[in-house]
Amino acid sequence: SQTIHQWPATLVQPVGSPLSLECTVEGTSNPNLYWYRQAAGRGLQLLFYSVGIGQISSEVPQNLSASRPQDRQFILSSKKLLLSDSGFYLCAWSQKGGYGYTFGSGTRLTVV
Amino acid sequence: DAKTTQPPSMDCAEGRAANLPCNHSTISGNEYVYWYRQIHSQGPQYIIHGLKNNETNEMASLIITEDRKSSTLILPHATLRDTAVYYCIVRVAPGTYKYIFGTGTRLKVLA
Repeated sequence: SQTIHQWPATLVQPVGSPLSLECTVEGTSNPNLYWYRQAAGRGLQLLFYSVGIGQISSEVPQNLSASRPQDRQFILSSKKLLLSDSGFYLCAWSQKGGYGYTFGSGTRLTVV
Repeated sequence: DAKTTQPPSMDCAEGRAANLPCNHSTISGNEYVYWYRQIHSQGPQYIIHGLKNNETNEMASLIITEDRKSSTLILPHATLRDTAVYYCIVRVAPGTYKYIFGTGTRLKVLA
């Protein structure tokens, strides 16, 4: 069966520090991968999605970047965090054909 | 782009049916409607999806109108553990891999 792993679960980082969040998927190949962010009390905002290795689509201009170095690995990064980067970050995957998502358990990032 | 509209909040008594509506009037002909729920501080959990016919699984039932412009998620016997935010989503456009989540419906099940 397919599983998605996302870590860490919580993270507190100072303003100006770098960020790296990792997401991996098991039990499938060539998945579509997604990063969402959820600010406190808000809906989910799509940040990036990827349909293949090295293929990244950015949805919202921001301080973040994404990379997909391997088929089932998706990384969210920042060189210098801002206070506004705080939030709940969710990784998700879907099969080609777009039949819904499976989400990871999320990373709660607090920038202080 | 296709999108969905849901009421921001609803209350339901424990043991009663919870009926959560969703409007998706711009949905394309062959696009599915998906429902997820998010319990506080967790990732959204898949509930059910449908295209034209009504669907039922162990978690819920999904009723889709004949014109496909709206649907209703039914939790037949709501429990306190069903308190969550419920999202109805569709693909932004055919051929894309993007789904847009709105703010969903915050369902509170009351004892």
